Amino acid sequence: GQQVMQIPQYQHVQEGEDFTTYCNSSTTLSNIQWYKQRPGGHPVFLIQLVKSGEVKKQKRLTFQFGEAKKNSSLHITATQTTDVGTYFCAGPSNTGKLIFGQGTTLQVKP
Amino acid sequence: DTAVSQTPKYLVTQMGNDKSIKCEQNLGHDTMYWYKQDSKKFLKIMFSYNNKELIINETVPNRFSPKSPDKAHLNLHINSLELGDSAVYFCASSQGYARSYEQYFGPGTRLTVT
Repeated sequence: GQQVMQIPQYQHVQEGEDFTTYCNSSTTLSNIQWYKQRPGGHPVFLIQLVKSGEVKKQKRLTFQFGEAKKNSSLHITATQTTDVGTYFCAGPSNTGKLIFGQGTTLQVKP
Repeated sequence: DTAVSQTPKYLVTQMGNDKSIKCEQNLGHDTMYWYKQDSKKFLKIMFSYNNKELIINETVPNRFSPKSPDKAHLNLHINSLELGDSAVYFCASSQGYARSYEQYFGPGTRLTVT
């Protein structure tokens, strides 16, 4: 079946360092969504990418959707302790349900 | 006002018991979901309802039964609880049942089966 893979599973960085998580789908996606889950919290929608090669920025966060619409990345510049959490990518299956990646858990050392 | 609310937040119970989790959304959304998040944080969809009609029913034991009395509510009843049911259960909603709608998650219900 359709799979969405994310790497790395965990990342520990020093505050101020950059961070990137990568997402790969086994099939072409119509769009990709990113969510953030703070420790003890619930997933919160961050952004959706729809177009091939699309790049969107939210302050220090940069999201990219690959040209083939099968991969995506989230890059955080100069991490802060408020960036701590698990970042999920999610892509819709051809039946409409969202398939989530395994998530990348980011820890930031002050 | 909380957009998607769930009760209870924590649920500790013994094997074999039956329990229910309730979910309500005040966003006016047509579609609601139940997800299970395991200890490794893997999020897996269980059920989805669109306008009170079941549209997604994943490979979930039939001990789990969702019920949607109206499009603002989606409850989850679990019979004969097992140790492996311990997880965090999230309710979510979206504007519609289409691939491009973002989902809004509730705060989660942490179920512990002893």
